[in-house]
Amino acid sequence: EAGVVQSPRYKIIEKKQPVAFWCNPISGHNTLYWYRQNLGQGPELLIRYENEEAVDDSQLPKDRFSAERLKGVDSTLKIQPAELGDSAVYLCASSLEGGSNSPLHFGNGTRLTVT
Amino acid sequence: GNSVTQMEGPVTLSEEAFLTINCTYTATGYPSLFWYVQYPGEGLQLLLKATKADDKGSNKGFEATYRKETTSFHLEKGSVQVSDSAVYFCALFTGANSKLTFGKGITLSVRP
Repeated sequence: EAGVVQSPRYKIIEKKQPVAFWCNPISGHNTLYWYRQNLGQGPELLIRYENEEAVDDSQLPKDRFSAERLKGVDSTLKIQPAELGDSAVYLCASSLEGGSNSPLHFGNGTRLTVT
Repeated sequence: GNSVTQMEGPVTLSEEAFLTINCTYTATGYPSLFWYVQYPGEGLQLLLKATKADDKGSNKGFEATYRKETTSFHLEKGSVQVSDSAVYFCALFTGANSKLTFGKGITLSVRP
């Protein structure tokens, strides 16, 4: 099966600019996650979707971050405006459902550098 | 809140050496425990898991046993290979918040 596809792989922008990341989950996976991984750290959850509904966005900095999952398939994560501290790898993952018996499948991530 | 603590790295071993990577956790309830691995240039992938106390997860020669009494889930392999060089993440999942919480990860380098 095709894996989770993310684009772009790399993005370099100046601070205060907007940026968007795209994720295509594995077909049939209802649950989609966006994680942020800072250098030398483990991934931290930003938002979780069950189909098209955001069921956990408690860790999403809503003043500048937004996400959507139209039609419950692809998802985009946007930052506007970007800050220097947003430099990180943004990971998308999907699973069949939200429980512990459904392992997460991760994409290769988008490495964002804000200068 | 939930948290995962991994031993400090990086770890460098010679091929065929024995590997132990320590992981301890703090969680409410009864979490499921996981090891994820990230090979160079690739995405995170599940290595093994255990869903209840005393369960042993195993895959590719790696093993980890869910120890509730010591809140640990240490990763072991009897003989590492160069191809095991990667970053290893311990993680836990609880149904209370349906969230996977990761440790910081540890880089393993295996020399020929």
